[in-house]
Amino acid sequence: NAGVTQTPKFRVLKTGQSMTLLCAQDMNHEYMYWYRQDPGMGLRLIHYSVGEGTTAKGEVPDGYNVSRLKKQNFLLGLESAAPSQTSVYFCASSRARAVTSYEQYFGPGTRLTVT
Amino acid sequence: RKEVEQDPGPFNVPEGATVAFNCTYSNSASQSFFWYRQDCRKEPKLLMSVYSSGNEDGRFTAQLNRASQYISLLIRDSKLSDSATYLCVVNAGNNRKLIWGLGTSLGVNP
Repeated sequence: NAGVTQTPKFRVLKTGQSMTLLCAQDMNHEYMYWYRQDPGMGLRLIHYSVGEGTTAKGEVPDGYNVSRLKKQNFLLGLESAAPSQTSVYFCASSRARAVTSYEQYFGPGTRLTVT
Repeated sequence: RKEVEQDPGPFNVPEGATVAFNCTYSNSASQSFFWYRQDCRKEPKLLMSVYSSGNEDGRFTAQLNRASQYISLLIRDSKLSDSATYLCVVNAGNNRKLIWGLGTSLGVNP
């Protein structure tokens, strides 16, 4: 099992450009999450999904959109990138309906720089 | 008060030492607690869940003190490979969201 994978690993964008980050998991997890991690800020939740076809806002959703068309995939879109979106983006997933369902498993991250 | 607080360190200890980290949380309704480990420029990885009765996994012991609202992580016989940032994580009440501490940096020296 690959676990949680993310593409791309690195990307440099110019201000105003758009891009989509792809997250895929092969653990049949119901829940998926997008976080960003910045120095001194810790992990902050952008959006999350509790199942195929559903998404919800997290702590810092502005400037991002998401889609969960298939259970195994969770896409994060930046429609018009801004320098403030320079960050490391992590995708995570977790099981549902289990005692351990809060345990989250992470992908390797995408390092995004917006110039 | 921050929802989850940790001493950022760094804690620098020699190999073989015992080191302990504490983490305090503000939401008394929190039910699930975790320690994650994050290596430099890598993703967080689950180290262990923290149960009410406390739990041990090899050299690692986690404790929960609900009355004082803190969790702890004890590492015995530290190895060089234990050098990392240790993140304290607490669920935000009755939902799937997790609140992440900023982490405690540990360096184990030869």
